[in-house]
Amino acid sequence: DTGVSQNPRHKITKRGQNVTFRCDPISEHNRLYWYRQTLGQGPEFLTYFQNEAQLEKSRLLSDRFSAERPKGSFSTLEIQRTEQGDSAMYLCASSLQSNQPQHFGDGTRLSIL
Amino acid sequence: SQELEQSPQSLIVQEGKNLTINCTSSKTLYGLYWYKQKYGEGLIFLMMLQKGGEEKSHEKITAKLDEKKQQSSLHITASQPSHAGIYLCGAERFRTDKLIFGTGTRLQVFP
Repeated sequence: DTGVSQNPRHKITKRGQNVTFRCDPISEHNRLYWYRQTLGQGPEFLTYFQNEAQLEKSRLLSDRFSAERPKGSFSTLEIQRTEQGDSAMYLCASSLQSNQPQHFGDGTRLSIL
Repeated sequence: SQELEQSPQSLIVQEGKNLTINCTSSKTLYGLYWYKQKYGEGLIFLMMLQKGGEEKSHEKITAKLDEKKQQSSLHITASQPSHAGIYLCGAERFRTDKLIFGTGTRLQVFP
């Protein structure tokens, strides 16, 4: 039984570089979510997909952030021209359908030098 | 101010003691989810509550949603070191699938 898988687990990069994270949801889950979590806070919603359609984006998602789910399976989150404030844990979750529990991966921890 | 308030922020209890964590919303909850998180890891789903007055239990953990659907509590009976971690409540609003989380309650259980 495979849960939500995120890669890489850790990413250290210099300010100004681009980074891309990948999320593989639980098989047959058509909803996929991205959240960001900083130390001592709860996760904050970024965006979510139903299959390949991106249905909602948070105001937190500036134009430097882009997320895709091209075939309705795995998703990628790209951050361009990273800034210090982007340092956080990026969490992915998936659910079977609306109003069902979201199951989370272990996250990708991003550190900006 | 936080849309979802959790209390207490941290809790240190002796093994075997009971404890309660509260989650209060400023708006009516469409759904309420409880998660547990170990430091540096993802969230583990515990329970989902959707109806006013609903109560669910799993092993030694019981979660309740009040009748007005604005407050939930998580109760742990006879706590064990394995219960240690950060407990997060997540609220689902009407017509949106995103979850809004509280800041979490850090639980430590000592022998």
